[in-house]
Amino acid sequence: KNEVEQSPQNLTAQEGEFITINCSYSVGISALHWLQQHPGGGIVSLFMLSSGKKKHGRLIATINIQEKHSSLHITASHPRDSAVYICAGVPSSNTGNQFYFGTGTSLTVIP
Amino acid sequence: SQTIHQWPATLVQPVGSPLSLECTVEGTSNPNLYWYRQAAGRGLQLLFYSVGIGQISSEVPQNLSASRPQDRQFILSSKKLLLSDSGFYLCAWSVQQYNSPLHFGNGTRLTVT
Repeated sequence: KNEVEQSPQNLTAQEGEFITINCSYSVGISALHWLQQHPGGGIVSLFMLSSGKKKHGRLIATINIQEKHSSLHITASHPRDSAVYICAGVPSSNTGNQFYFGTGTSLTVIP
Repeated sequence: SQTIHQWPATLVQPVGSPLSLECTVEGTSNPNLYWYRQAAGRGLQLLFYSVGIGQISSEVPQNLSASRPQDRQFILSSKKLLLSDSGFYLCAWSVQQYNSPLHFGNGTRLTVT
């Protein structure tokens, strides 16, 4: 079983819909990253959070460390949001060299 | 500003041939450097990381090796590729600070035929 599980694995939405991607983890972590991987393969970091909520434009990320759960929300989704979204946990005892990656959620937003 | 360059973007190599993928980082010094592999439908797998010149740690035993000849240069190599080496390889860097974000290159799609 992977230390980090994401759901759903695949998601198709109509433009304008509110989207939620979930990330649950079984290991103790001190922070969690949300990454976006576009069809070309490049990965960009969206958020790094260790508590509460962060917002950037139409993207909102929340985390509950005690419940070992994080969510990524996209409001007013747009076709350009189509990508794979990956969560990555930083283990509590991490020295900076290891992350636990989820397998990703593939999002397709249809015009 | 910091940038990371990774090349080539795509590569098709026959089984048994050598491999050399290169990654360079600009705009920062003494970064942590990483090589990841992403197989189809699977999460990112850490292959190697380096905290300094000549310092390489391997996470997964395989026929790949890594070297860091300069502070901001990280090279992934193989003497003889296997079919199972096919995948998407990503270089990344971070500052040497706990909980710092990862910055990824654009990746190399390797197909071993």
